[in-house]
Amino acid sequence: EDQVTQSPEALRLQEGESSSLNCSYTVSGLRGLFWYRQDPGKGPEFLFTLYSAGEEKEKERLKATLTKKESFLHITAPKPEDSATYLCARGFGNEKLTFGTGTRLTIIP
Amino acid sequence: EPEVTQTPSHQVTQMGQEVILRCVPISNHLYFYWYRQILGQKVEFLVSFYNNEISEKSEIFDDQFSVERPDGSNFTLKIRSTKLEDSAMYFCASSLVNEQFFGPGTRLTVL
Repeated sequence: EDQVTQSPEALRLQEGESSSLNCSYTVSGLRGLFWYRQDPGKGPEFLFTLYSAGEEKEKERLKATLTKKESFLHITAPKPEDSATYLCARGFGNEKLTFGTGTRLTIIP
Repeated sequence: EPEVTQTPSHQVTQMGQEVILRCVPISNHLYFYWYRQILGQKVEFLVSFYNNEISEKSEIFDDQFSVERPDGSNFTLKIRSTKLEDSAMYFCASSLVNEQFFGPGTRLTVL
C-alpha cells in the first residue's frame, strides 16, 4: 500500500519569504498526486492534481511540481492568508485517497 | 460554485448510541466517500460508494458502520453503537472524474 510522507511537519515563514513543501511516496506508477489546503476545523480544499513526472500546475502564489518519487508545493512571496495545513494525497482514478500528515504553514506578517 | 454540504456541523452523543451523519454531494457527481480525521492525525479513508453500492472500505469500516444513499441527493453514514474512539471529524467527499471535493465536516464527540 502506498505510504505518503510530508515534510517538514511545520514551517514558519516571514511574509514574502518563499519556500517549498515536500511530499514523497512509496508506490510509483499511474496514480494521481493531489494537493489540498485545510484550514483549522474545516474540510480539505482541493488545489491541484498532478499525474506525470515533469508536470507543473500553478494557482496564485502556489506551484505544484511532480517527479517520479515526490512532489513539491512551492509558495512564492506568501501572505498571512496562505497560513494553513497543506495536505498531499495519492489516489488512482476514483479510488480512495491516501493522505500524508500534512505541513502546517504559518506566515508571519 | 457547487459544494458538498454536511449536517450537523457538530454532534455530541453518548457511548453506545446510534448516530447518522448526513451529506449532500455535488449534484452531478457519481462517486461518494467518507473519511475521518482524529484530532491531530491524518485524514483516513473509510468507504467509497458508487452506483448504489460500496466499492471499497477500509479496516476501520466494520459492522458498526453503514452507508446509504436514500434518495437522489443525500448520502449518509450511520454508526450503530458509538465508541469513545469514534470521536473525530467526519468528512464526506464526492467526485465526478478524479478530483474529490470535500465537505466542511461533522465533528463527532462521543462521551
